[in-house]
Parts: sequence; C-alpha cells; structure tokens
Amino acid sequence: DQQVKQNSPSLSVQEGRISILNCDYTNSMFDYFLWYKKYPAEGPTFLISISSIKDKNEDGRFTVFLNKSAKHLSLHIVPSQPGDSAVYFCAASEFGNEKLTFGTGTRLTIIP
Amino acid sequence: DAMVIQNPRYQVTQFGKPVTLSCSQTLNHNVMYWYQQKSSQAPKLLFHYYDKDFNNEADTPDNFQSRRPNTSFCFLDIRSPGLGDAAMYLCATSRDEGPKVNEQFFGPGTRLTVL
Repeated sequence: DQQVKQNSPSLSVQEGRISILNCDYTNSMFDYFLWYKKYPAEGPTFLISISSIKDKNEDGRFTVFLNKSAKHLSLHIVPSQPGDSAVYFCAASEFGNEKLTFGTGTRLTIIP
Repeated sequence: DAMVIQNPRYQVTQFGKPVTLSCSQTLNHNVMYWYQQKSSQAPKLLFHYYDKDFNNEADTPDNFQSRRPNTSFCFLDIRSPGLGDAAMYLCATSRDEGPKVNEQFFGPGTRLTVL
C-alpha cells in the first residue's frame, strides 16, 4: 500500500524551461510535505517543504504547490539548470509524527 | 560543517555473515533513523530512535537490529544477511522540536552487497 506516489519515473526538460514534478498521496492524515533531491552516491538532501495550511511555498527557483482536495502536490523548477539533474523524492508526514513516508522518486534530466 | 557520516560507504559481506553499519552525526539531533532503499524504490524506514527510545517498524525483519550508545552514534546490525538484504542503507537525523521537526538530514548511505 503505497501512500505516496510519484507516477513518473523519469522526466527530461530543456535547460531554461520549467520542470514540473508531481506527487500524489492517499493518506488524508498527512499534513506536511517535503521534496528531497538526490545525486548519485549521495544521500537525499532537503529541498523545500509545505504545510497543509498553505497551498504554495516558494524558495528561489523552486516552488511547491499543494492541492489538498486532490491530494496532489507538485514541484516547479524554473528556470531549469543542468545541476538540477537528479532524482527527486516526495515525502509526507502526519501531524505530531516525525516519520516520513517517501515516494519512489522521479529522475529529472536537464538537457543542455 | 555539521553533518551525518556513514561508514563504510561500501560494504561487501557473505551470505549469513553478520555485518554492522555505522552512522554518526554532529548535528546534535535527538532523533536518528535507519532506512533501506532498493533500486527504483522508496526509502523504507526500518526503525528510529527518539533519543534513547527505540521504535521498530512493524514489518522490519528480526534480522535487523540497532544500537544507539549515545546521541552521536547509531549502528545497524544485520545478523544473517540474505541476498534480499542487498540495498543502500541510509541514516538520517532530525530535531525533536521546533518548526522544522519533520526535516530529516541524510548521510551519504552505505551500499551493501551480499555474495
């Protein structure tokens, strides 16, 4: 039973264009969502997060959108840069619970 | 720089031969986690420590044990590794209070190969 789903295993985007990574969840108790970025041979690094009381959070080139009614969140990267090529994991947690549930990841490739 | 360190980065063991993976942190975080990640799969939480309080996930096999002798160190012991235990093992830490309590900091991982 996969509570956090990333249905696109891979995505290729031209440099300078917008990258949109999607994530769906099934557990209505999730109230905090995070995106992690992972390069090969490294551990995941935190990128950006959003609480369920918001529908948007922005940090530089990265914006996360949350649609609670659809149980869907997305990560927008604009403009995309070659260094953004990595695997992106979506994760979620319930209020008062430090544990994270991860998706399977989306491999983003930025084409120069 | 404050960080999470895992040793070794690559570990090869034989089927059934016990192996220990180590994790240390300089972040002074109270919570430490061990994840197993297989290729193209989501990281799967094995267990976590809230300070010295050990929390095992219900589906973590008995073959996996953990020790946390102090705040800085945590160990993952695999008593009798099977071929299915070959994976990347990730250690992570987090604060236990404050606005970013859900933000976990990961080490680089240990890739375990079982022959």
